[in-house]
Amino acid sequence: AQKITQTQPGMFVQEKEAVTLDCTYDTSDPSYGLFWYKQPSSGEMIFLIYQGSYDQQNATEGRYSLNFQKARKSANLVISASQLGDSAMYFCAMREGYTSGTYKYIFGTGTRLKVLA
Amino acid sequence: NAGVTQTPKFQVLKTGQSMTLQCAQDMNHNSMYWYRQDPGMGLRLIYYSASEGTTDKGEVPNGYNVSRLNKREFSLRLESAAPSQTSVYFCASSAPTVNTEAFFGQGTRLTVV
Repeated sequence: AQKITQTQPGMFVQEKEAVTLDCTYDTSDPSYGLFWYKQPSSGEMIFLIYQGSYDQQNATEGRYSLNFQKARKSANLVISASQLGDSAMYFCAMREGYTSGTYKYIFGTGTRLKVLA
Repeated sequence: NAGVTQTPKFQVLKTGQSMTLQCAQDMNHNSMYWYRQDPGMGLRLIYYSASEGTTDKGEVPNGYNVSRLNKREFSLRLESAAPSQTSVYFCASSAPTVNTEAFFGQGTRLTVV
């Protein structure tokens, strides 16, 4: 069963507007972490934001925020005031392994975001 | 700080050839990982090493072997390359707690012809 699901293969957003990238997850571990990464066309993986399963508040990092809805098992990334440089592939990931001690990262298939001028 | 260093950055192999992808990290991380990235499939875990001296299969281990040489180094070996192994390979490392991100190398673009 797929553990991380990103249902939007591609999205467009107008410059300066906000955009939400969807991510749902599935785990039976009580303790887990949720991460978002950005991969620009140059190929490197850039860590953006983290949300812990026990965190009460949604994480924020500058223009990035994570809309964490635990009951729905969703961890959507919100980018405010989009910039042309935000055009990239975005990956949602989950780290679980509290029970097994393995702490594997599982990635979704990604969403390619294109910001329009 | 170098972080996670992968070599080589690019490689072309003929079917049946073997090669080893090297990965080293200088962050004193216990956990290390090898992923492959293919279009439309995200990053898929090949093998990982939760700590020095241990390695385990991930989602797509067939055709690969790994060695955790020491705490710093984690290599991935293709014994007999196949065109299906054409991909971008990423090595990553992290501290062994749930709330820490993975640090990635720059990736290796491998083409098997």
